[in-house]
Amino acid sequence: DTGVSQDPRHKITKRGQNVTFRCDPISEHNRLYWYRQTLGQGPEFLTYFQNEAQLEKSRLLSDRFSAERPKGSFSTLEIQRTEQGDSAMYLCASRSTLANEQFFGPGTRLTVL
Amino acid sequence: AQSVTQLDSQVPVFEEAPVELRCNYSSSVSVYLFWYVQYPNQGLQLLLKYLSGSTLVESINGFEAEFNKSQTSFHLRKPSVHISDTAEYFCAVSFTGGGNKLTFGTGTQLKVEL
Repeated sequence: DTGVSQDPRHKITKRGQNVTFRCDPISEHNRLYWYRQTLGQGPEFLTYFQNEAQLEKSRLLSDRFSAERPKGSFSTLEIQRTEQGDSAMYLCASRSTLANEQFFGPGTRLTVL
Repeated sequence: AQSVTQLDSQVPVFEEAPVELRCNYSSSVSVYLFWYVQYPNQGLQLLLKYLSGSTLVESINGFEAEFNKSQTSFHLRKPSVHISDTAEYFCAVSFTGGGNKLTFGTGTQLKVEL
């Protein structure tokens, strides 16, 4: 059990560019969650998967955002045509359906210039 | 919908003093309650949780929290803090019907001073 990992840890991009983040959950955790955390705020829910199925998306997830978990293991979060307001820490978490706690990765900090 | 309120954005305290970080929640259904800790440039670590049963829950590093249903609170306490406890603390709730997604408060920055 190596914990939840996220890549990259930091991303700086120019407005209008596309970015993609990756999350590797704890093995055999079938639920995977994405959150966004802006400065001075708590994390806000974006979306979650059970295995490969995306079961819920927050209204925060505009049509520029897309998330996938094609084989029910790792997940990617893509932001198209980035805006300065997308600058935030993007957190991934996973959990087993047998337990109630979510385990978080270290996050990907996105800065849009 | 659920919401979480952490009224104190910052709590300064001297080392070895007691501390209480306040958390109140609002929900129309039964919830699970959590405290997470976040150190600078790191992800969140679970500190303790209340799912059911005893309303007083404890962590391995001396923190405790008590679920109070009538006051809809889940305050975090430690009788004697250490410099290493300096971090951001987040209270969160979830419920089974909502996919167990977490709703967080805005966080409380605990700063322990010598």
